[in-house]
This record gives sequence, C-alpha cells and structure tokens, in this order.
Amino acid sequence: DGGITQSPKYLFRKEGQNVTLSCEQNLNHDAMYWYRQDPGQGLRLIYYSQIVNDFQKGDIAEGYSVSREKKESFPLTVTSAQKNPTAFYLCASSIGGTYSNQPQHFGDGTRLSIL
Amino acid sequence: AQSVAQPEDQVNVAEGNPLTVKCTYSVSGNPYLFWYVQYPNRGLQFLLKYITGDNLVKGSYGFEAEFNKSQTSFHLKKPSALVSDSALYFCAVRDNGWGYGGSQGNLIFGKGTKLSVKP
Repeated sequence: DGGITQSPKYLFRKEGQNVTLSCEQNLNHDAMYWYRQDPGQGLRLIYYSQIVNDFQKGDIAEGYSVSREKKESFPLTVTSAQKNPTAFYLCASSIGGTYSNQPQHFGDGTRLSIL
Repeated sequence: AQSVAQPEDQVNVAEGNPLTVKCTYSVSGNPYLFWYVQYPNRGLQFLLKYITGDNLVKGSYGFEAEFNKSQTSFHLKKPSALVSDSALYFCAVRDNGWGYGGSQGNLIFGKGTKLSVKP
C-alpha cells in the first residue's frame, strides 16, 4: 500500500542533543512537508520541499534542519538550538506544492519528548 | 495574510443527530479549502475539499461541507452523527494563486475542533 512512513513513533532527546526524524513516502509525490503540532495550536509549517535538492523555510524553521536528497525521503533534524522541542511532528506529501488544489497526505507522526 | 478560524474548541452531539463544525477563513486571493480529521496519536486524514464550482462538497464517511463566499465560511456537516466520528477536525485554506494573493501558497490550518458524539 502506498503511504507515508514516519519513524520512530516516540523519541526522547537529551539536553544538547540533535535528533533526526525519518519520513519516507512511496506515493511518488514531488512535494513534502514537516509540521509541528502542539495542543490547541493546530499545525505549524516547519519546512517544505517541492523538488529534490530544494527546500524552503516555513513559519517556524528556527532550530530545525532538513535535507531532500531523494524524492522519497525528507528527514527532519531537531537541533539543540530548538529550546522547546516537545511536540508531535507530522510529515506530509502531495502531488503539487504551493498553490496546489491537491490534498496533503500525512504520516502517523513522531512524538518527541525531552528527557 | 491568510488565516483560518474554528470558533469552537469542542462540539458535543448525540448519536443520530446532525453535526456542524464551523470554519471561517481569510485569504487575499481565492481559496482552496480542505477538511481533515485526526484520531488520537495518528496523522491527519483528508475528508473533502472545495476548489471551485458547486458550493456543496461531498466527502468521505458521509461528511459534506458548504462553501459560502459572502460569509467566508466552509462549515463541515453530517446529517447523522456516529460515535466513531468522535475525533479532532481541522479546517485548512490556501490561496489558489490566481490573482494577486500576496501569499506563498502554503496550507494554513485552523486550531482544530474536538467533536464528541455520545451514544
């Protein structure tokens, strides 16, 4: 079945540590996205990529980094510069990118907590 | 600037009764509108979208939504609620890029409405 796989499901970060969240899709979608979800705040865009080897900052990119070396993969690194990383992180993909009328498809998320 | 408002944090409905989850939006240009549902510890699932044309849009699981341009609203509805409909619902909007919207064309989400359907 086609879909988006996020791993791990749960992740714990120690002080000063960088952690990487994995996102893989087999939908052959060009565009991929990372969102952060906090209770009562909806989803906020961290980074997005419309094509391999290209990505743009979203609304809350500080303390995060991404890469897009393959169409299928869009890993997110939460760096030690992100002082409040505890949240539910969602990866999504879509056929079109910005201005597209196509819906985004979501993975089942990674819950990141601080040790 | 784009924005989405879901004025109700929670909606409570008895099983079998009709349900409405409200959404209003603001975009500089013309909108594409979406509804998603999220079950606990899961990702978002797409329910339906409005692109253009008929103001009443039908989607998955018996849900529908009505686009009202004058009121800038896109309320989600279902004629008869099920207990299994209990979940978190998100409205989202993006500028469709036709005309000067001044936006980056990204999807903007509301804060979500928790729907609780009691037996």
